[in-house]
Amino acid sequence: DQQVKQNSPSLSVQEGRISILNCDYTNSMFDYFLWYKKYPAEGPTFLISISSIKDKNEDGRFTVFLNKSAKHLSLHIVPSQPGDSAVYFCAAGGGSNYKLTFGKGTLLTVNP
Amino acid sequence: SQTIHQWPATLVQPVGSPLSLECTVEGTSNPNLYWYRQAAGRGLQLLFYSVGIGQISSEVPQNLSASRPQDRQFILSSKKLLLSDSGFYLCAWRTSYDTEAFFGQGTRLTVV
Repeated sequence: DQQVKQNSPSLSVQEGRISILNCDYTNSMFDYFLWYKKYPAEGPTFLISISSIKDKNEDGRFTVFLNKSAKHLSLHIVPSQPGDSAVYFCAAGGGSNYKLTFGKGTLLTVNP
Repeated sequence: SQTIHQWPATLVQPVGSPLSLECTVEGTSNPNLYWYRQAAGRGLQLLFYSVGIGQISSEVPQNLSASRPQDRQFILSSKKLLLSDSGFYLCAWRTSYDTEAFFGQGTRLTVV
């Protein structure tokens, strides 16, 4: 049972435009969500997180939006840069559970 | 500052051989420690996690085991590797009060 879903395996965007990466979850017990960026043959790097009590968190070019009623979150990157090209993972955790559950990732390609 | 070391970076092992991957964390005490595997098309799969010395929780029944002999050391092992054990193995840590986990650089294991 996949509790965190990233339904788009890939996304291609033009440099300077907005990238929107989506994530859906099924477990209502999740109370925080994170986005990671991963280059090939490297470990994931933490980007930004959001608590379930918020609906938006912003850090520079990165903004995460959370819609609890829809069990949906998204990562917006504005403006997109070629260096943003990577696999982006959505993750969730919560309660007394020490685990982070990850989605399958979305490959973002930003074209110059 | 905290750092995480994971080695080796790449490993080619024959089927039936043993495995030992090591991960150490510096600059923090009593971290939560995790082993993940990234297989093609399957995202980041949690294998084991530990909240203290000698405490191991297994997420997926498999050919692997984990141990935590010291507070900041986490070891992934196998007595006899299978072809299906090939993948990219990632160690991660986080504190018990933060939400974000931090990953090592990963080990690319190829079983031949």
